[in-house]
Amino acid sequence: DVKVTQSSRYLVKRTGEKVFLECVQDMDHENMFWYRQDPGLGLRLIYFSYDVKMKEKGDIPEGYSVSREKKERFSLILESASTNQTSMYLCASLNRDTTEAFFGQGTRLTVV
Amino acid sequence: AQRVTQPEKLLSVFKGAPVELKCNYSYSGSPELFWYVQYSRQRLQLLLRHISRESIKGFTADLNKGETSFHLKKPFAQEEDSAMYYCALSGSGYGQNFVFGPGTRLSVLP
Repeated sequence: DVKVTQSSRYLVKRTGEKVFLECVQDMDHENMFWYRQDPGLGLRLIYFSYDVKMKEKGDIPEGYSVSREKKERFSLILESASTNQTSMYLCASLNRDTTEAFFGQGTRLTVV
Repeated sequence: AQRVTQPEKLLSVFKGAPVELKCNYSYSGSPELFWYVQYSRQRLQLLLRHISRESIKGFTADLNKGETSFHLKKPFAQEEDSAMYYCALSGSGYGQNFVFGPGTRLSVLP
């Protein structure tokens, strides 16, 4: 019963490429999040959205943008990928009533 | 600003020993605190939250507002508890944020 799906498990991109990471949830949640997960640093919030077309910067938004055109889909965009953006990216959606977050399986992005 | 700290990157205990994973937070309002767990090759998933005051897989956590702590405890660790544990904080309000600590890797030795 997969609830949050990220489009790719593994991606390899070249420096300077524009990269799209897609996330879809089927739980009708308003809040969605993008994190990057790095050893020793935990999960760092990049951007979050609390409604369609609404977005808020997290702790590390530089070099990233997001798009929320439909409630179920939240996209993370790397405008010009750099090697320091090599990481595991996690998408989550939040049930506002229970405040439980559900995570996708993660996308491991390598920028070469 | 919201902040969550977990002082231990790695915690190793023997099977059957008590375990305590520390979490401290800073938040100006009334936060909701959570523990999330990630087992090897699995998704991050909710372990427990402070508002439900429940015990999951033998783990408990008490919110101490005076010490701004939410430590995770289990009296007798099992090998299957080995995982990465993250403490998380959610702010109040409509556009609620969700912030995680750096995580603690728990290793339960046989």
